[in-house]
Amino acid sequence: KNEVEQSPQNLTAQEGEFITINCSYSVGISALHWLQQHPGGGIVSLFMLSSGKKKHGRLIATINIQEKHSSLHITASHPRDSAVYICAGGGNKLVFGAGTILRVKS
Amino acid sequence: DTAVSQTPKYLVTQMGNDKSIKCEQNLGHDTMYWYKQDSKKFLKIMFSYNNKELIINETVPNRFSPKSPDKAHLNLHINSLELGDSAVYFCASSQGRAGANVLTFGAGSRLTVL
Repeated sequence: KNEVEQSPQNLTAQEGEFITINCSYSVGISALHWLQQHPGGGIVSLFMLSSGKKKHGRLIATINIQEKHSSLHITASHPRDSAVYICAGGGNKLVFGAGTILRVKS
Repeated sequence: DTAVSQTPKYLVTQMGNDKSIKCEQNLGHDTMYWYKQDSKKFLKIMFSYNNKELIINETVPNRFSPKSPDKAHLNLHINSLELGDSAVYFCASSQGRAGANVLTFGAGSRLTVL
């Protein structure tokens, strides 16, 4: 079992739907990272959080330290949100989840 | 102006060859990393340098040798390439250690070994 587990592995949504991607971790973390990798391959950091909730535009990330669980929510999803979403956590080095492949259809 | 730049973006080579990938960051960060992303898109740390000092060296074959001439550069040299080395290699940087600081990634270098 990986130290950082994501679900679902694949997700297809209709444009406008509310999307949730989950991340559970067993590794000790300083913070939990959410990354986005577009089909072109580049990786962008979306959020880094160690408690509570962060919001950026239509994206919201939450974390529950006691339950070792984080969620990434996308409101009013759009085809341009189609990407791989990766969570990662750790101390000196990050351990990555396997990623969630999101496809938003118009 | 690209924050973390890697070259080359694509590299196709024969088994047994030696190749290098270069990385430079202009963010003033003190920590740089090499990550390997396999065919299943799984990212894994290979090396990390902080102010030119090696701080993370995962279980990587010693055919892989990182070099950091200064804190803005981290290069990756691979000797005697094998088929299993085919992957996308990402350079990244952060100010302070990765666990507690935001990472900025390069665009990736896709290595194909024939």
